[in-house]
Amino acid sequence: DGGITQSPKYLFRKEGQNVTLSCEQNLNHDAMYWYRQDPGQGLRLIYYSQIVNDFQKGDIAEGYSVSREKKESFPLTVTSAQKNPTAFYLCASSITRITEAFFGQGTRLTVV
Amino acid sequence: AQTVTQSQPEMSVQEAETVTLSCTYDTSENNYYLFWYKQPPSRQMILVIRQEAYKQQNATENRFSVNFQKAAKSFSLKISDSQLGDTAMYFCSYAGGTSYGKLTFGQGTILTVHP
Repeated sequence: DGGITQSPKYLFRKEGQNVTLSCEQNLNHDAMYWYRQDPGQGLRLIYYSQIVNDFQKGDIAEGYSVSREKKESFPLTVTSAQKNPTAFYLCASSITRITEAFFGQGTRLTVV
Repeated sequence: AQTVTQSQPEMSVQEAETVTLSCTYDTSENNYYLFWYKQPPSRQMILVIRQEAYKQQNATENRFSVNFQKAAKSFSLKISDSQLGDTAMYFCSYAGGTSYGKLTFGQGTILTVHP
């Protein structure tokens, strides 16, 4: 079945550590996105990529990094510079020129 | 910058009744898309309905329909014959200009359907 797979579903990080969230899609979509969701707020864009080997910062990129070496994969690294990383992270993809985004099931990151 | 506002943090409705969720947005662009997404307790984001700004006809998907008022920058969602499975957080979102796919979201409305 075609879709977007995020892993792990739950992730715990110690303060000062970097962690990487995985996002894989087999929809052959060109564009991929990372959003952060906090309680009581909508989704906020962290990074997006419209094509392999290219990506742009979203609204809240500080403390995060990404790579796009393959069309299917868009991993997100939450670095120790991110001061408040506890949140729900959603990965999405879309076909360029067709606008709706399709979402993975999310990763819940907790700093312990 | 584009903004999306949902003024109803929470709403409730009885099963089989109709409910309308409100959304307003601010943009200077002429070509754009609007969406309603549903996020049930599983937290999976599901596309409910989409509306292209250049289309005057309101979009409809089964029990879900929108009232798109371009001049007023209003985009409300009507759910008819509400079902228990409609209980979820609903997000209004916008994508426009060259940023197609790069969605701007509202704060969300929690909808509870009561039996």
